Amino acid sequence: EIVMTQSPATLSVSPGERATLSCRASQSVSSNLAWYQQKPGQSPRLLIYGASTRATDIPARFSGSGSGTEFTLTISSLQSEDFAIYYCQQYDNWPRTFGQGTKVELK
Amino acid sequence: EVQMVESGGGLVKPGGSLRLSCAASGFSFGTYSVNWVRQAPGKGLEWVSSISSSSSYINYADSVKGRFIISRDNAKKSLYLQMNSLRAEDTAVYYCARERGWFDPWGQGTLVTVSS
Repeated sequence: EIVMTQSPATLSVSPGERATLSCRASQSVSSNLAWYQQKPGQSPRLLIYGASTRATDIPARFSGSGSGTEFTLTISSLQSEDFAIYYCQQYDNWPRTFGQGTKVELK
Repeated sequence: EVQMVESGGGLVKPGGSLRLSCAASGFSFGTYSVNWVRQAPGKGLEWVSSISSSSSYINYADSVKGRFIISRDNAKKSLYLQMNSLRAEDTAVYYCARERGWFDPWGQGTLVTVSS
């Protein structure tokens, strides 16, 4: 099983600041990586797939990068609606596995 | 609008059974793999099971293998999860999701509580 490790667990950011979230895979997943956003009481929403392709209707301030074992989600200028938990997920191998999440909170 | 809507959750005793359903709309259901993913209260996301478009390929997480059965009815645009021998650790919100490697969209989830 591929273990996905996200860091940091919690990121305290002020509105308008840049947020950088990391995701590491225990073995290469090529570019088969997705990012999701989940707000309290809501289901997860797809942000990024293929490590760097934004999903439909996702604002340009969200960007993904990386390949192999190291990945990054960047939110260029945090808006109030971006405070949430973010998960990475690999789909290179079975079982599909998720990171434990990074909570982006208001500083 | 592409949509997935789960139903069938509830309170069940340890060792009991429950069947979840997921109704899909807004896309050609029979051409996609679909999955179940769960989230225990206050915890992260855990993939549970996957079924391919024609039901030819099925995968389960080790934690549910031998107890859960995934199935689909393409004519009804529906996905199912038969959960047997339920344990307290199966307590979670269960989401269905269309899969293309990544999961999108997700349903709103249905809560399963296993407790005596």
